[in-house]
Amino acid sequence: GDSVTQMEGPVTLSEEAFLTINCTYTATGYPSLFWYVQYPGEGLQLLLKATKADDKGSNKGFEATYRKETTSFHLEKGSVQVSDSAVYFCALSDLGNQFYFGTGTSLTVIP
Amino acid sequence: EAGVVQSPRYKIIEKKQPVAFWCNPISGHNTLYWYLQNLGQGPELLIRYENEEAVDDSQLPKDRFSAERLKGVDSTLKIQPAELGDSAVYLCASSLGSWTGNEQFFGPGTRLTVL
Repeated sequence: GDSVTQMEGPVTLSEEAFLTINCTYTATGYPSLFWYVQYPGEGLQLLLKATKADDKGSNKGFEATYRKETTSFHLEKGSVQVSDSAVYFCALSDLGNQFYFGTGTSLTVIP
Repeated sequence: EAGVVQSPRYKIIEKKQPVAFWCNPISGHNTLYWYLQNLGQGPELLIRYENEEAVDDSQLPKDRFSAERLKGVDSTLKIQPAELGDSAVYLCASSLGSWTGNEQFFGPGTRLTVL
């Protein structure tokens, strides 16, 4: 069945460091791919998405490119801030509109 | 625009007691989801509604869990009786429709502790 595998955490970075969180997926057909973020004490919120191969989703300085050849959707940011500290979830939505989430990667950014 | 509303935010009960969670989705969203999120894990789907119809409840433990979505708007998820292993965060989400690219909007969740 469909699934998402993402890099385990926790990840600790200094402010202004480069961030990569790896995400790979298994799916039949052509799923849509998402990154959600969960700030402490809050619900999940969409960070970015891509709905077809080679699409790049971007928001708040974060980017991820839908790579069908490597079945990946890695999250990147060039310079993280303390306010980026949160848990990041990679997810896919398949043809049946079923959502599959990764286990989450906790990011802590220190000043 | 109001987001997805869930209540209560926290609930502590003893095992074998019943418990219910309520969700009010974003106005106009016809698709509603209930998820279970264990500590350190991603959300896992329990049930999905399209309007008032449950279109995917394959992961709902029907011996103790039940859900309803009257009039295709608000929804209630119930556990009776609760077990220790049910301690988790229960998330409600809604979206505009069933296109795979549709964003899901999540509520803050209900954290259930079963003693």
